[in-house]
Amino acid sequence: QTVVTQEPSFSVSPGGTVTLTCGLSSGSVSTSYHPTWYQQTPGQAPRTLIYNTSTRSSGVPDRFSGSILGNKAALTITGAQADDESDYYCVLYMARGIYGFGGGTKLTVL
Amino acid sequence: VTLKESGPALVKPTQTLTLTCTFSGFSVSTNGMRASWIRQPPGKALEWLARIDWDDEKFYSTSLKTRLTISKDTSKNQVVLTMTNMDPVDTATFYCARHDSSGYYFDNWGQGTLVTVSS
Repeated sequence: QTVVTQEPSFSVSPGGTVTLTCGLSSGSVSTSYHPTWYQQTPGQAPRTLIYNTSTRSSGVPDRFSGSILGNKAALTITGAQADDESDYYCVLYMARGIYGFGGGTKLTVL
Repeated sequence: VTLKESGPALVKPTQTLTLTCTFSGFSVSTNGMRASWIRQPPGKALEWLARIDWDDEKFYSTSLKTRLTISKDTSKNQVVLTMTNMDPVDTATFYCARHDSSGYYFDNWGQGTLVTVSS
């Protein structure tokens, strides 16, 4: 079974830029997987950041952007802020009606 | 649109869990409606479980499909998930989520409900 992969953790300095990635244990991620990115803070439900690879959800600051980089989906945060410290999950549309969550990336801003 | 999960906070091993997601501000009968259940064990990652569509088509996680049943009650505007043969490793916060019109992502989430499996 193909697994969705993410970096377990990442660190960025305030004001810095960080790119989190979302890959597959076998194969390449393309726009056909409709990558979506969610942000989750402790005790809260996830919040949609980016859908369909690169479309920002309503109210999401433009410092968040999505793309395909090589064979992975990517979430880039430009000008990281302290309140960006969260867990970030990508989800891929693996097949009709089937969704694959990545293991999540814990982002630290320090 | 709001979604609210409800169900038992504690179940015993081998029991069947039944969770309900009540929609407000949106009808589960609406053409194009799709809703999923997702779970998250404490300190661990999110995991998609099942999806039901407005036309009653259903999809299940490959690894859990033998234990899951998703359904909807249009009279109560609810989506229901049952999971059989519960085990302590199934302890998790369970979320219901509505999909966007394309079905590719979740655009509304409930607050989640924590279910603990313990004797």
